[in-house]
Amino acid sequence: QSALTQPRSVSGSPGQSVTISCTGTSSDVGGYNYVSWYQQHPGKAPKLMIYDVSKRPSGVPDRFSGSKSGNTASLTISGLQAEDEADYYCCSYAGSYTHVVFGGGTKVTVL
Amino acid sequence: QLQLQESGPGLVKPSETLSLTCAVSGGSISSSSYYWGWIRQPPGKGLDWIGSIYYSGSTYYNPSLKSRVTISVDTSKNQFSLKLSSVTAADTAVYYCARLSGSGSGYYYYYYYMDVWGKGTTVTVSS
Repeated sequence: QSALTQPRSVSGSPGQSVTISCTGTSSDVGGYNYVSWYQQHPGKAPKLMIYDVSKRPSGVPDRFSGSKSGNTASLTISGLQAEDEADYYCCSYAGSYTHVVFGGGTKVTVL
Repeated sequence: QLQLQESGPGLVKPSETLSLTCAVSGGSISSSSYYWGWIRQPPGKGLDWIGSIYYSGSTYYNPSLKSRVTISVDTSKNQFSLKLSSVTAADTAVYYCARLSGSGSGYYYYYYYMDVWGKGTTVTVSS
């Protein structure tokens, strides 16, 4: 069982928006503004999409955005495209003992 | 362009020690700006944090694996390594190495997000 809770799957049609939630506790997501999100296509390594809750690395489309409220972080994909179909994982800093925790992953399906 | 490459045996027997190395190219592992980490992914499952190391040797480990994990760094070879002892079938996974960048300021600077990943290497635990 993962430390952070994500929905198993979400889906949307091309052009629509989807939002993936990531629920933790006050010891991780709620306690720090240090949440990151990763995209993983089948058979490939994960790719950093969001860090520090809402910052995008260079090269990541601005269709991807992140936010946080309390113990729940969210990743929104606007203007969904076929190539966005992938697994997405959230990750949070969780203090000096646990350090890093991942969510269980969410499969995004483009209908 | 920074690249990471994992290497090591693809098959390990139960109760033995899994050993992997991550070679860093296109940049120095001795940079003061990064930690270097290991993450694994069991077949069909999600990502699992193993631990990370600074070039000075400072480490963080997943508490659930801490008793079995050792991560070390060799700055002369620009690489870092993972050892996982007493393996079982549950340790079968794709193992990734990654560079960790951080955020914050002063004492409250945390290395937590993985901005460069290796391609991963599959390790199967079986007799």
